[in-house]
Amino acid sequence: DAGVIQSPRHEVTEMGQEVTLRCKPISGHDYLFWYRQTMMRGLELLIYFNNNVPIDDSGMPEDRFSAKMPNASFSTLKIQPSEPRDSAVYFCASWGSSYNSPLHFGNGTRLTVT
Amino acid sequence: AQTVTQSQPEMSVQEAETVTLSCTYDTSESDYYLFWYKQPPSRQMILVIRQEAYKQQNATENRFSVNFQKAAKSFSLKISDSQLGDAAMYFCAYRSLLFTGNQFYFGTGTSLTVIP
Repeated sequence: DAGVIQSPRHEVTEMGQEVTLRCKPISGHDYLFWYRQTMMRGLELLIYFNNNVPIDDSGMPEDRFSAKMPNASFSTLKIQPSEPRDSAVYFCASWGSSYNSPLHFGNGTRLTVT
Repeated sequence: AQTVTQSQPEMSVQEAETVTLSCTYDTSESDYYLFWYKQPPSRQMILVIRQEAYKQQNATENRFSVNFQKAAKSFSLKISDSQLGDAAMYFCAYRSLLFTGNQFYFGTGTSLTVIP
């Protein structure tokens, strides 16, 4: 199994630009989570999906953030327009609904907004 | 929502020695899962060990073991014979078994330094 795949690994963009982060979960996993990690706030849950349907987006900071999961093998997190305070590492993780199964994380995308 | 507390932002240990990282959590549930994740500088999140709350026996994975105290809601991680490769951030995580959305709750992490 290739694990959770995220792209890009690094993203540097200018304030005001649109940023799209991508994620391919582990095949067969029906839950997908987006987290943001910063020094100040640690690991924050932004949104998660079950069977491609958004279940809880209460962690999405504001309307500039949006996430989609058009099918079971692909999800995007979009920030438009981006701001310097969005600079963070963004993780995608998937879970296969087995009771003792852990979350499987991707390698994260480090976003820098200048 | 459940809360997970890691009260030690930073810890250090001498190579080959033993170190214990603490984690406490707040819950009213009787059954749940607990995890420790390691995040080295590469930033990859790696599962270290897991514990099922209904099991009284403490989980062990090679040099890593936990001290699970259910009544005290404590879940500490012990690393024996510490190695340089153990240097990383360590996160404690809780997962509810209730149908609350199957969220995972994470602590703020403990940064472990291993001194040669």
